[in-house]
Amino acid sequence: NAGVTQTPKFRVLKTGQSMTLLCAQDMNHEYMYWYRQDPGMGLRLIHYSVGEGTTAKGEVPDGYNVSRLKKQNFLLGLESAAPSQTSVYFCASSYQGPETQYFGPGTRLLVL
Amino acid sequence: SQKIEQNSEALNIQEGKTATLTCNYTNYSPAYLQWYRQDPGRGPVFLLLIRENEKEKRKERLKVTFDTTLKQSLFHITASQPADSATYLCALDIGTGGFKTIFGAGTRLFVKA
Repeated sequence: NAGVTQTPKFRVLKTGQSMTLLCAQDMNHEYMYWYRQDPGMGLRLIHYSVGEGTTAKGEVPDGYNVSRLKKQNFLLGLESAAPSQTSVYFCASSYQGPETQYFGPGTRLLVL
Repeated sequence: SQKIEQNSEALNIQEGKTATLTCNYTNYSPAYLQWYRQDPGRGPVFLLLIRENEKEKRKERLKVTFDTTLKQSLFHITASQPADSATYLCALDIGTGGFKTIFGAGTRLFVKA
């Protein structure tokens, strides 16, 4: 059981470039989430999904898009990266509801 | 707006003592509250969940209390060990109007041998 995995682990982008972060879970969880974590701030929810084919906006969705085509995968896209999107991104999953979330190891993104 | 506060200052304690971390919140009545542990460079790991009708919950050396009147949760680690050194995050369910959990910024705990 790998749990929740994220790729890549680290990425450097130039302003305006695009990229996709991949999250995969092998626990058959219905719910998946994308958070960003910045120094001195709590984890902030970007988007979430309550099942395959569904997505919804979280607290800070602007500048990001997501897709959940398969139950085990949740993709986070940045269409035109900005320096303000420099952060550590965490994916999480849970069986039912936001209780007991399992987090991935994170992706460090630097936008120059 | 919803607000969740954890002591931003690091907590330094001696091995064997009890560590107590505080989580305060305003403007909300959560159905439950969670505590997570986060080590440097790693993702958070779930520790405990306590519901609004529970006053206290224990798991091995961990104890969580939840006072909905004071809008506060306390997280205790008894007989602390250097391996308990980490950042501890509290998280609130704010299910009304959306499906969300909000996290505090965390409190860093250092346990000295």
